[in-house]
Amino acid sequence: EPEVTQTPSHQVTQMGQEVILRCVPISNHLYFYWYRQILGQKVEFLVSFYNNEISEKSEIFDDQFSVERPDGSNFTLKIRSTKLEDSAMYFCASNAGTSVSYNEQFFGPGTRLTVL
Amino acid sequence: AQTVTQSQPEMSVQEAETVTLSCTYDTSENNYYLFWYKQPPSRQMILVIRQEAYKQQNATENRFSVNFQKAAKSFSLKISDSQLGDTAMYFCAFTTFSGTYKYIFGTGTRLKVLA
Repeated sequence: EPEVTQTPSHQVTQMGQEVILRCVPISNHLYFYWYRQILGQKVEFLVSFYNNEISEKSEIFDDQFSVERPDGSNFTLKIRSTKLEDSAMYFCASNAGTSVSYNEQFFGPGTRLTVL
Repeated sequence: AQTVTQSQPEMSVQEAETVTLSCTYDTSENNYYLFWYKQPPSRQMILVIRQEAYKQQNATENRFSVNFQKAAKSFSLKISDSQLGDTAMYFCAFTTFSGTYKYIFGTGTRLKVLA
């Protein structure tokens, strides 16, 4: 069964460094999402992406964040200058976008980002 | 703004018993979707069950069923005949169209099934 994959599973970085989190959504899916979960808190929406552009973003998704789909298979989240408060689990999700999909999103296993 | 509340951070149940996980939400929308996702330890979230708000009938998927009370904005998950493999974090999620179908999650309930 197709799955969403994410790499790396754990990323440790120094404050101020750039990180790129990678996701491979399910191949025929059209909508892509990033969420994050700070330890002990709820999973929060960051951004959605459709047709090679951002369709919606949250207040969390400021100028330090960017997303792209560079090659038609990968979907990346870049944090330009990491802060301590960016430490969280980051989940990628995708959705087929068809009428029968009932808006079900398929999630990756997450990347745990630790900013020191 | 929509919110989702799961008031039970942790629960435990004996194998073969029944357990109910609670979820309430707040929205002014009339058309929306509700989901329960399961996240086993160190694994990705997988869909357990979904409910369309326009459907009055409660969704069921094998041992999993929901009690959807639209007026009360309540969406509880019942797991019957609990199995050890049901041990996981369970997230309640809400979505409606707002330019995209982003999910609003609750904080999760950690369920442990005891042998």
